[in-house]
Formats: sequence, structure tokens, C-alpha cells
Amino acid sequence: SQTIHQWPATLVQPVGSPLSLECTVEGTSNPNLYWYRQAAGRGLQLLFYSVGIGQISSEVPQNLSASRPQDRQFILSSKKLLLSDSGFYLCAWSVRYSNQPQHFGDGTRLSIL
Amino acid sequence: GENVGLHLPTLSVQEGDNSIINCAYSNSASDYFIWYKQESGKGPQFIIDIRSNMDKRQGQRVTVLLNKTVKHLSLQIAATQPGDSAVYFCAENPGYGGSQGNLIFGKGTKLSVKP
Repeated sequence: SQTIHQWPATLVQPVGSPLSLECTVEGTSNPNLYWYRQAAGRGLQLLFYSVGIGQISSEVPQNLSASRPQDRQFILSSKKLLLSDSGFYLCAWSVRYSNQPQHFGDGTRLSIL
Repeated sequence: GENVGLHLPTLSVQEGDNSIINCAYSNSASDYFIWYKQESGKGPQFIIDIRSNMDKRQGQRVTVLLNKTVKHLSLQIAATQPGDSAVYFCAENPGYGGSQGNLIFGKGTKLSVKP
């Protein structure tokens, strides 16, 4: 069966520090991969998606970036965090065709101080 | 996402009653719809999906209804239990085609079950 892992589960970072969140998927090949951000008590905002290695599409302009160095690995990064980057970050995968559900990891709670 | 910046509506039901959570979608070309359940501190969990060639689909204690005429989706939960307390999101595939499989998520509804 397929599984998705995100780490760390929680992270506290100072303003201006770098960020690296990692997401890996097991049990499937060539997945679509997604990064979302969710503010407290609110809905899901799509940040990036990827349909293959090295292929990244950005949905929202920001100081975050994403990379996909391997088929089942998706990384969310920042060179300098802002206070507004605080939130709950979720990674998801889906089979690489439309009309398939996305399956989510358990997220990373990021707090910027 | 269009739901960013909006606070969640809340539905409060008595344990054992049926719950109905509604969702309006805007894209008439959407051909695939999903309901997710999100418990506090966790990622959304897939509940049930429905394709646009259907108007009803049933799972274990859940039923999804699709009304394409008015672009409305609902999730019915039978005999609601305390473990059903969570935020529920609908999502639609807007039919852009291609392989990216992007979904548009609804605002979310918080379901609270009273014992």
C-alpha cells in the first residue's frame, strides 16, 4: 500500500532563518506531488505541484520554493523565513491522471518567532 | 485557492442523528468531486468521491449527492458519532485536463457532535 511521510511534525524557526521540509511517498511510482499551506481554522492553499522530477509549478508568488530531486521526494524550502510563513504545511500525492483523489501526509506545524 | 482567508462555518449535531454537510461549487466543467475529513492536527483524509456521471454514491455510513443543475454537493453521515467530529472539505477537479490532477478545495465545515 502507498504511504506518505512528512517531517518534521513541528518546527519553530526564527524570522530570517532557512527552511527545508521534506515529503516522501512509498508504494507508488510517478506520482503527482503537491504542497499546501493551511492557516489556522481555514482552508487549503495550493503552493506548488509537480508532475515529474525537476518539474515544479508555482501557484502563489512567495518566498518559498519547491524541488523534486527524486521521483518520490518533494522538498519545500525558503532562504529567509517571514512571520507570515507560519502555518500548517501539507504534502499530498495522487496518481498521475485526473479524477484521482489526493492523499495527504500528516503535515508540519511551522511557527515563526 | 479561493477559500483562503475565510473562517469555517460550523454544524452542531446530536450523537446518533444524521448530518448533512453542503458544498457549492462554481465550475460547471468540474467532473470529479471528493469529500475529505480533517481531524485536529492531522492531514485531510479521503472519505468518498463521485464522478459527474453519477448523482449519488454510498459508502459506509456516508452518502454523497451531486446535483449538477445547481452545482451542489452534499455529504450525509448516518448515525453521527463523536469520532465524526472534524472539519469536512469538498474538492472538485475543474476539468483542466492534462496530468496535474489539481483540485479546488471548498471552505470547509466544522462538524461538532454533542454526546
